[in-house]
Amino acid sequence: KNEVEQSPQNLTAQEGEFITINCSYSVGISALHWLQQHPGGGIVSLFMLSSGKKKHGRLIATINIQEKHSSLHITASHPRDSAVYICAVLSSYSGAGSYQLTFGKGTKLSVIP
Amino acid sequence: GAGVSQTPSNKVTEKGKYVELRCDPISGHTALYWYRQSLGQGPEFLIYFQGTGAADDSGLPNDRFFAVRPEGSVSTLKIQRTERGDSAVYLCASSLAGLAESPYNEQFFGPGTRLTVL
Repeated sequence: KNEVEQSPQNLTAQEGEFITINCSYSVGISALHWLQQHPGGGIVSLFMLSSGKKKHGRLIATINIQEKHSSLHITASHPRDSAVYICAVLSSYSGAGSYQLTFGKGTKLSVIP
Repeated sequence: GAGVSQTPSNKVTEKGKYVELRCDPISGHTALYWYRQSLGQGPEFLIYFQGTGAADDSGLPNDRFFAVRPEGSVSTLKIQRTERGDSAVYLCASSLAGLAESPYNEQFFGPGTRLTVL
């Protein structure tokens, strides 16, 4: 089973700061997802990537397949970015066509005005 | 358009009781997933349906847990003889195609059902 580790667990930042959240995993993957979870449970997919880098607005996600590591960056952070950010890896198991998502525990981000 | 909906949003029950949690996926989505999220943890996979059949139920913790999707749309997660350790948020997600067909399809999550077993 893939082990997914996120750091830090909790992060408090001042509005405007540049934020980095890290994700490491133990076994080779097909793809990696970054998800955002607001209080109350709703989960929204931010990115899915299998190589390189993706950018959407103030969010940037990178992945290094060789090092089994991904980072999520938020530029010019804002209080509305406060949420839990979850990394999830898609890996295949027990033969062709079998895939499963394994989630990290999440990073709780609080952005203070 | 309508997203994934789950009912009830909150469920409080007593130890030993039976509960049913319902998920309405996005219309036309053939794949449906159930996850469980305990406090301070990430979601944990329970079961995945492709159409009406359970394509992967390896995440169900024991035989007290069962899920159905009889017509390939709405799904019900059933928990028998509930235990305090079953308390968690149960999340449902759906995707246009299943993991076997297209592993890279985005999963759309519902708001979850918070189950509390007293």
